[in-house]
Amino acid sequence: GAVVSQHPSRVICKSGTSVKIECRSLDFQATTMFWYRQFPKQSLMLMATSNEGSKATYEQGVEKDKFLINHASLTLSTLTVTSAHPEDSSFYICSAATRTASTDTQYFGPGTRLTVL
Amino acid sequence: AQKVTQAQTEISVVEKEDVTLDCVYETRDTTYYLFWYKQPPSGELVFLIRRNSFDEQNEISGRYSWNFQKSTSSFNFTITASQVVDSAVYFCALSEAEAGTALIFGKGTTLSVSS
Repeated sequence: GAVVSQHPSRVICKSGTSVKIECRSLDFQATTMFWYRQFPKQSLMLMATSNEGSKATYEQGVEKDKFLINHASLTLSTLTVTSAHPEDSSFYICSAATRTASTDTQYFGPGTRLTVL
Repeated sequence: AQKVTQAQTEISVVEKEDVTLDCVYETRDTTYYLFWYKQPPSGELVFLIRRNSFDEQNEISGRYSWNFQKSTSSFNFTITASQVVDSAVYFCALSEAEAGTALIFGKGTTLSVSS
C-alpha cells in the first residue's frame, strides 16, 4: 500500500529554536498534503492544507508565520515550527492525499513528536 | 458544519468480551466518507475502514464489524472477543467526498482490554 514517511520521528529542542519536519509520499504523487496536530490525550486537529506549488491554507487560529509550510514537490511537504515554545510541544502528523481512477484517499505518516524545553 | 461525536471517552473490558465503540456524525453533505482509525501507544494511525455514504451495508473483517446507519447518523464499531492487543485509542472520522479534503476526527475512545 501507499507509504508516507515523516522525519524526524522525535525531536527535542530548546525554546526559541526552529524545527523542520518533513513529510514524504514514498511511492505516489500527492496532490494535497495535510498537517494535523495532536496534543496529549486529545484528538487530531487540522492545522493546514497544502497543495503542491501553492500557498498553504491554514485553519482558523493557526499562525501561518509560526508554522511555515512548504510543498515544493508532489512528494514532499515540510512544516517548520519557528521560534518554538513549550506550548508547541505536540505530536504532528501529516497525511498525503491522492486520487486514482478507482478511489481517492489519504495516507497518514507515522507522526513526529516535538518536545520544546 | 461537520462534526463527529464519540461520546465514550474510555472503555474498559476484560479479554474475550465484545465491545462497541459509538460514533455519531453531522454533515450537510449527501456524499461523504466515514473512517475508523486505531492509534496504539506508538502514535501511528492504523487505518481500519472507509465507508462512503451510499454504502450502508454492514461490514465484517475478522473480529471487527461496523454498523452504518444513515437514519441515525451513526457508524458504530464492534470488536468481538476482544484481546489485550486491541487496547488503543480509536478515532472515528468524517470527510467530504471530494479528493483533497481533510478528515474531521472525533475525540477518540480509549479502549483498555485486560487479561
